[in-house]
Amino acid sequence: EVQLLESGGGLVQPGGSLRLSCAASGITFSVYAMTWVRQAPGKGLEWVSVISGSGGSTYYADSVKGRFTISRDNSKNTVYLEMNSLTAEDTAVYYCAKGQISGTYGDDALDIWGQGTMVTVSS
Amino acid sequence: EVVLTQSPATLSLSPGERATLSCRASQSVGIYLVWYQQKPGQAPRLLIYDASKRATGIPARFSGSGSGKDFTLTISSLEPEDFAVYYCQQRSNWPPLTFGGGTKVEIK
Repeated sequence: EVQLLESGGGLVQPGGSLRLSCAASGITFSVYAMTWVRQAPGKGLEWVSVISGSGGSTYYADSVKGRFTISRDNSKNTVYLEMNSLTAEDTAVYYCAKGQISGTYGDDALDIWGQGTMVTVSS
Repeated sequence: EVVLTQSPATLSLSPGERATLSCRASQSVGIYLVWYQQKPGQAPRLLIYDASKRATGIPARFSGSGSGKDFTLTISSLEPEDFAVYYCQQRSNWPPLTFGGGTKVEIK
């Protein structure tokens, strides 16, 4: 069974940093792009960032560019999201999700999602 | 950036009724339109990709149609477990991948 398990969320002060992790199991991890999507409380879905299977290509939403960094360790089947200079607008549930098609750069449907990890930015 | 507009925002229907949800794109996305279902407290679930292809395990009562700018998700006969929020997403013009604002299907 394919599973994604996020961790690392929590309460952080404005201006602070946090690193999220997403551990995958049941898939050949290195061939799939991995995406982070967030959802502010009571709001819709917002695409945040994606990394290709090799890790060689990364893309970011304008709202996080320069503050967030996506990376992956294929030996650990894990993708990360390093978040810096956090503001209240970053408060959300953060989901990691797997690209549907192997070998893409991240422009595909998201067929497996983790359960999400909550990030709260507040003083 | 492609803007996706979903309508209506809320759809109030009874079990057994037909649901028709709309997603309109600000520019053509070809057939590269995806639909997800999200229930309270849960992660989104992939329903339809490439406008009309059902994902693995999705019941046949869910169908998608459309191309270019206008897309429709139809649930032929609502089951109790279908009451949820539905999002469309485009994967044609990226980055960014963009999502619509969602349609809530609620019990009338």
